[in-house]
Amino acid sequence: KQEVTQIPAALSVPEGENLVLNCSFTDSAIYNLQWFRQDPGKGLTSLLLIQSSQREQTSGRLNASLDKSSGRSTLYIAASQPGDSATYLCAVRKGNTPLVFGKGTRLSVIA
Amino acid sequence: DTEVTQTPKHLVMGMTNKKSLKCEQHMGHRAMYWYKQKAKKPPELMFVYSYEKLSINESVPSRFSPECPNSSLLNLHLHALQPEDSALYLCASSPGVGQGPTYEQYFGPGTRLTVT
Repeated sequence: KQEVTQIPAALSVPEGENLVLNCSFTDSAIYNLQWFRQDPGKGLTSLLLIQSSQREQTSGRLNASLDKSSGRSTLYIAASQPGDSATYLCAVRKGNTPLVFGKGTRLSVIA
Repeated sequence: DTEVTQTPKHLVMGMTNKKSLKCEQHMGHRAMYWYKQKAKKPPELMFVYSYEKLSINESVPSRFSPECPNSSLLNLHLHALQPEDSALYLCASSPGVGQGPTYEQYFGPGTRLTVT
């Protein structure tokens, strides 16, 4: 059974820092991995989708990498801002099975 | 347009009430999902519809009854709920649930449900 782990569970950084969020998964035979952002009490916003054949994806200040063989992905946020404060979730998908989510990393960026 | 809409945004209901949650997407997606999310937890899958047919029911109690009237609409009918059912209910859609590796899942803003 696929398990997804996100480390750290919570992170507090000063504004302007670059930071890395980690995601690991136990079954490397995935189709894709998605990173989401969730603000308190709101829905999930898709940030980046990495296909299993890709190594990384970039969107603005966000860069996600995927090392499928080792079962790891990282989300890099450059020059963090208070508006980046949210919970970040990673989720993996294999075949016809639905997304399997990690428990998320709660990020606070302090002005 | 990558929008999934959900109504209502908030719902308070008693344990004897019957209510419905509604979800809509106009992206031509053929897969739609209901998730339940408790505070500080990841979303938990409840149901998956593929081509308007129920394909996955994650052993959800019968007091939750999903319905997919057409490819754009997904409802969740609620009856005789318990206080522990209070949560954020999220709807999502994706192009399909098959073998496509690029099937990105899009979520709606959720309905905050409180059962009194």
